[in-house]
Formats: sequence, C-alpha cells, structure tokens
Amino acid sequence: SQQGEEDPQALSIQEGENATMNCSYKTSINNLQWYRQNSGRGLVHLILIRSNEREKHSGRLRVTLDTSKKSSSLLITASRAADTASYFCATVPPSNTGNQFYFGTGTSLTVIP
Amino acid sequence: DAGVIQSPRHEVTEMGQEVTLRCKPISGHNSLFWYRQTMMRGLELLIYFNNNVPIDDSGMPEDRFSAKMPNASFSTLKIQPSEPRDSAVYFCASSLGGNSYEQYFGPGTRLTVT
Repeated sequence: SQQGEEDPQALSIQEGENATMNCSYKTSINNLQWYRQNSGRGLVHLILIRSNEREKHSGRLRVTLDTSKKSSSLLITASRAADTASYFCATVPPSNTGNQFYFGTGTSLTVIP
Repeated sequence: DAGVIQSPRHEVTEMGQEVTLRCKPISGHNSLFWYRQTMMRGLELLIYFNNNVPIDDSGMPEDRFSAKMPNASFSTLKIQPSEPRDSAVYFCASSLGGNSYEQYFGPGTRLTVT
C-alpha cells in the first residue's frame, strides 16, 4: 500500500511550543502534501513538496522530505490554539494518471492555551 | 469561487433506503474525488474522475455504491440499499489536474444509517 503513516497519532503541546509530525510512506512519489482538518470540517491543503525538493517553508510551517528514508516531517513553529486539528500527509505516485492521493492516518494535534 | 459544494450536509436514513450525495466541484477543475472518513478506517478514496470519466473505482466498497459525473459541474454518489455500516462522513474534492495536484475539499456529508 502507498498509504502514508503519521507519527505520533496524537500530540499535545503548550501554546508557543513547536510541534513536529512525521510521515512515512512505502513507494516512490511524485510529491507529498500536508493537509489540516479541523473538527467537523473538510481537509485544507497546507503545503506541497516535490520529490526533488528537500525542504520547504510556508509561514510558520516547515516541511522536510527524505526520499531515501521515504519520510517527511511537518514542523509548526510557535504553535497557537487555533492550530489544534488533525494533520494528514498525502502522497502522489510518479505514474499518476489522475492526481490520485494516498492519505495517511493522521496526527491529532492539541495546542493548550 | 464558492469552493466545493456538497449536499446535503447531514443525512439520516433508515437501513434499506437509497441515499444520494451530491457534489459541485470548483469551476475549471478537471478531477473529482469521493472519499469516506470513519474513525476505524480513516480517509478512504472511493472513486475519482478525470474530465468526467471514472478512472479508478477500486475503492468503492461494493455494488451498492455507484458514482456518476454527468457533466463537469456535478457528481453524485449513490448508496442503494444503505446499511448501518455505511455511516460515515463522505467528502468530495476537486483539483485542477495536470501538474496542479492540490485537492480542495468540500465540507462533507455526515451520513447516519439507522
């Protein structure tokens, strides 16, 4: 299965701390993406990193990708209570013909004010 | 743009009834996806379309599930007959396709089958 697996499954931190989530996957990818899901809502795209990139930044988000280890990490710096959500990684295979995604199982992040 | 629109937002039905979920993708998007999310199984891809054509329906759980996309601005997911184990949140998502891989999700339909 191409499905990614996030680690940890749940994470609880104090506001202002950094949060790091990891994603591991099994086969080659074209790109990897991170999404956020607030309770009772749809997923929202956060950031995309291509297989030939190693690091990418977007505001307080930093994503790294290690294709040799088939893993990625998402770092949220200076966390806020509003960052409380579930975070999913999604992988797109190289021979993709229709933008098919494989979502991981998610990390539930709680930021305590 | 209004984003991906799904209806209804909530559906409660009795076992054996037919259920139809609807989705309007973002205008100009060429790919459409149907997902199901449960606590036990997480987020599962059921089927996706490219330019209104079903590409992969291997995620559709069984023959009781069917999906159509009669035109670029509308898709349906039908369950007939429904069963309690179909209770879940069903999401529709769309993307531009091609080299643009970001998916945009609708708010979901929460289905409860009693």
